[in-house]
Amino acid sequence: GENVEQHPSTLSVQEGDSAVIKCTYSDSASNYFPWYKQELGKRPQLIIDIRSNVGEKKDQRIAVTLNKTAKHFSLHITETQPEDSAVYFCAAAGGGADGLTFGKGTHLIIQP
Amino acid sequence: GAVVSQHPSWVICKSGTSVKIECRSLDFQATTMFWYRQFPKQSLMLMATSNEGSKATYEQGVEKDKFLINHASLTLSTLTVTSAHPEDSSFYICSATPEGVDDQPQHFGDGTRLSIL
Repeated sequence: GENVEQHPSTLSVQEGDSAVIKCTYSDSASNYFPWYKQELGKRPQLIIDIRSNVGEKKDQRIAVTLNKTAKHFSLHITETQPEDSAVYFCAAAGGGADGLTFGKGTHLIIQP
Repeated sequence: GAVVSQHPSWVICKSGTSVKIECRSLDFQATTMFWYRQFPKQSLMLMATSNEGSKATYEQGVEKDKFLINHASLTLSTLTVTSAHPEDSSFYICSATPEGVDDQPQHFGDGTRLSIL
């Protein structure tokens, strides 16, 4: 089955700086890679996703890059703000009919 | 659009009780729904794939007799935790993708926090 590794487990950055979270996956058949933000006690919220036919996707301050050859994908958050503080999860799946395999999460702390 | 409703949001019950959790897609139909479990300060783990009109597919290590899944319609899947014990205490969350739309992301319910005393 799929195995998703996520690093780092904790990331502390100064407000206004950029944050990068990296994930690797094992199953070459995976073709869907979402990123979720989860606040304590709440549902995961999709912040951006990418499919295997695309190498990079951007939405305002958030971007995701995918390297299918190396089986890794990364989340980039620029101009970080205090409200970006949360736990971020990467995930991988083979498609709409497949459940998601999640990474272990990254606790992002934005220092004022 | 694409709202998933989960009920109840919080359950506290005694050991040995069976607990049913409902997951409904409010404005779309879903042949497939997914059930995840999240222990405190851990990641979400896929428990099972719920298939409308057929048996659920369970992930390795998940007891099918312990976690009963029924997907009787295109908008409702239920997870019943049978004879719950304290180690079953967790955050249970479902998700669904609109049927026939390949590029739609999974939509999550708000989750159910289950506490077994």
